[in-house]
Amino acid sequence: SQQGEEDPQALSIQEGENATMNCSYKTSINNLQWYRQNSGRGLVHLILIRSNEREKHSGRLRVTLDTSKKSSSLLITASRAADTASYFCATVLHSGNTPLVFGKGTRLSVIA
Amino acid sequence: GAVVSQHPSRVICKSGTSVKIECRSLDFQATTMFWYRQFPKQSLMLMATSNEGSKATYEQGVEKDKFLINHASLTLSTLTVTSAHPEDSSFYICSARLRGGGRYEQYFGPGTRLTVT
Repeated sequence: SQQGEEDPQALSIQEGENATMNCSYKTSINNLQWYRQNSGRGLVHLILIRSNEREKHSGRLRVTLDTSKKSSSLLITASRAADTASYFCATVLHSGNTPLVFGKGTRLSVIA
Repeated sequence: GAVVSQHPSRVICKSGTSVKIECRSLDFQATTMFWYRQFPKQSLMLMATSNEGSKATYEQGVEKDKFLINHASLTLSTLTVTSAHPEDSSFYICSARLRGGGRYEQYFGPGTRLTVT
């Protein structure tokens, strides 16, 4: 089963622009994570935000979490062609010791 | 640290044959390993959860007799796709959870692309 729903499903932007992806989930979580996946490749962990955190930064990435709305957003600033990939949110349920459940993902294309 | 390997990275097999995929945690002990499947342009779907020394727990809709999981040690889990068919062609990704610490971090292998002809 899938917990998260990302939107948009696909996003195409020009290099230098910001990209915002959203994720909604259904049940109470322990933490939410964002991953990147280049076509046909493995996952790259980007950032983890815990349920008691509201915002986190890592380089050009900014993640927010609104537990009241059960939603998160990933902002990539000053995008580059190399950011072209699929981005997935994944949640760990409140109990903690449960597997990551992935959303459907957003396919980001950054055009040079 | 926290590296997970998978072998093979790619495999092509004929319909009806069985294929074994290995997942190893290289520098840590994993209490739990997870197997995911990903079809083209789709997300990762959890197939099963396995704990060392006990039977795997399969997600609804995943046939346990078709996808055999063996978690023989704290560093090795195997997924065997038995009597593979073309519809089993997919990207299989394992993930290992670090033992202890209560941090629940999962580390992912690079994936195995299975093509059944």
